[in-house]
Amino acid sequence: DTGVSQDPRHKITKRGQNVTFRCDPISEHNRLYWYRQTLGQGPEFLTYFQNEAQLEKSRLLSDRFSAERPKGSFSTLEIQRTEQGDSAMYLCASSPEDRLSYEQYFGPGTRLTVT
Amino acid sequence: QKEVEQNSGPLSVPEGAIASLNCTYSDRGSQSFFWYRQYSGKSPELIMSIYSNGDKEDGRFTAQLNKASQYVSLLIRDSQPSDSATYLCAVNIPQAGTALIFGKGTTLSVSS
Repeated sequence: DTGVSQDPRHKITKRGQNVTFRCDPISEHNRLYWYRQTLGQGPEFLTYFQNEAQLEKSRLLSDRFSAERPKGSFSTLEIQRTEQGDSAMYLCASSPEDRLSYEQYFGPGTRLTVT
Repeated sequence: QKEVEQNSGPLSVPEGAIASLNCTYSDRGSQSFFWYRQYSGKSPELIMSIYSNGDKEDGRFTAQLNKASQYVSLLIRDSQPSDSATYLCAVNIPQAGTALIFGKGTTLSVSS
């Protein structure tokens, strides 16, 4: 399977704990995105990498959130001191570098539950 | 005004009918438009992209774009129960960089 993969698929954590999620994009895609989706809403953009450079960050990305893509391949999203409001599906997407297209392909997501 | 708006539904159609899903957007500078299908508990799946005014057909799906009216739609012909899902409209807004702005989605229910 050459699609976007994410790990873990589900995470339950207690409030105040730190969590880290991993995303492996489609191998030839150099653009990688993180989104968050809550029930009844569309995905909301969090951050964007082109290769290893983090080029865009949403105002939704508070200082408790940090994302990395150290070698331009996989990416991690860490949430520190989790809050109940962080409970959501965290989606990773990737796309090829094509200035004419912003087609993004999503992974299966990581569902986070903060208790 | 929200940037991307969709009726939440549910939109109910009988099997074999045409389902029509609509989306409006606020930024006239938008250039790229997408439809994603999302089954309950799953992640969004890209089904159509459209960049120019007019119609684009792919199998049973037709995307329609009218930039003057800031309107994009998705038609599903010969609807099947397996088409029952939430359909998300997504738009690339220039000031948002490469990010996609999503509507809340329209839930489609196809009855057999």
